[in-house]
Amino acid sequence: NAGVTQTPKFQVLKTGQSMTLQCAQDMNHEYMSWYRQDPGMGLRLIHYSVGAGITDQGEVPNGYNVSRSTTEDFPLRLLSAAPSQTSVYFCASRAVAGANVLTFGAGSRLTVL
Amino acid sequence: AQRVTQPEKLLSVFKGAPVELKCNYSYSGSPELFWYVQYSRQRLQLLLRHISRESIKGFTADLNKGETSFHLKKPFAQEEDSAMYYCALSAFHASGGSYIPTFGRGTSLIVHP
Repeated sequence: NAGVTQTPKFQVLKTGQSMTLQCAQDMNHEYMSWYRQDPGMGLRLIHYSVGAGITDQGEVPNGYNVSRSTTEDFPLRLLSAAPSQTSVYFCASRAVAGANVLTFGAGSRLTVL
Repeated sequence: AQRVTQPEKLLSVFKGAPVELKCNYSYSGSPELFWYVQYSRQRLQLLLRHISRESIKGFTADLNKGETSFHLKKPFAQEEDSAMYYCALSAFHASGGSYIPTFGRGTSLIVHP
């Protein structure tokens, strides 16, 4: 049981480049979400999804796109990376019913030069 | 909108000393509160939730609705408690049709030998 898997673990981009952070879970969780973690700012919600085909914006959605074509996958896209997007990104999931507890991925550290 | 405040960025104590990590929240409804912990080089994971009313690794947290607080306490800190601690509040969002957690900025606990 892998839980929540994020790839890549590390990535360096140049300003203006695009990339996708991958997130997959094998727990059949309906709810999936992306957070960014910055020093002194804690965890801020970027986007979330309550099921396949449904996505919604969180606190800091600008500059990021998401889609949810399957229950298992929730990729986060940066269309034109900016230095302000240098951060550690966490994917988290949970079942919609039952305990309201998030399961986190290991994180993806992104640096934009 | 809900808000979670962790007033201390850093808490430094000696082994065996009592520890209290503060968390205050604002929310008009009935809150569901959590403490998550991130040990060095590990994933964020649930430490405890107020509904469970349990003690995990010697830590307890009591929901005080009058003071809108959910402070995390441990009578005798251990070196292995050194980590980043996040308080989180889960609230129902009608627009998204799901419970959405909001995290505080985190408190880094350092326990010296």
